[in-house]
Amino acid sequence: SQELEQSPQSLIVQEGKNLTINCTSSKTLYGLYWYKQKYGEGLIFLMMLQKGGEEKSHEKITAKLDEKKQQSSLHITASQPSHAGIYLCGADIRYGGSQGNLIFGKGTKLSVKP
Amino acid sequence: NAGVTQTPKFQVLKTGQSMTLQCAQDMNHEYMSWYRQDPGMGLRLIHYSVGAGITDQGEVPNGYNVSRSTTEDFPLRLLSAAPSQTSVYFCASSYWGNTEAFFGQGTRLTVV
Repeated sequence: SQELEQSPQSLIVQEGKNLTINCTSSKTLYGLYWYKQKYGEGLIFLMMLQKGGEEKSHEKITAKLDEKKQQSSLHITASQPSHAGIYLCGADIRYGGSQGNLIFGKGTKLSVKP
Repeated sequence: NAGVTQTPKFQVLKTGQSMTLQCAQDMNHEYMSWYRQDPGMGLRLIHYSVGAGITDQGEVPNGYNVSRSTTEDFPLRLLSAAPSQTSVYFCASSYWGNTEAFFGQGTRLTVV
């Protein structure tokens, strides 16, 4: 969706390096969701952020929500080959007036070189 | 729990044929939705449902129909398949609006 911009579109990092993926909405955010997808597979839920300033971490992945900027960032510390995949941000922007329908960005393809 | 189950996993159709993509969830979720994923386009919302008997259009609804007669099932119908509908289709469900959406494994559809 053009309402949700993800950057960068692709990223190649050396194993052990840190990286950040950004997701910016042109609409009011009522919730921001991060998913990971391996090629040809379904989406794996990573984290959900709902409140401005909220920050969540799972293992080496941290996500933050900046409500004022309508933006979220996903940060991976000390990347590993297992982190490779496509990262998708999904936003609840009350599409159609209903909550719960997520609009997605185009995704960020992450490759981690051993 | 099975979660969200999509069938079939793969399908090849000829232009003009019709078919139904099945989606079933066993989590008693009210919200269900269909997305298509194309290279470089991310996921785009096709149709969604906020409960049995209630459906609405998403971002790219043309060429697709849905119905929601039960809480568990949310089939997606292609009325007359076109090559532009070649894509990977994902079904998702969630309990309520601000909870995690669970996705099926996808249906890879090719229209020739």
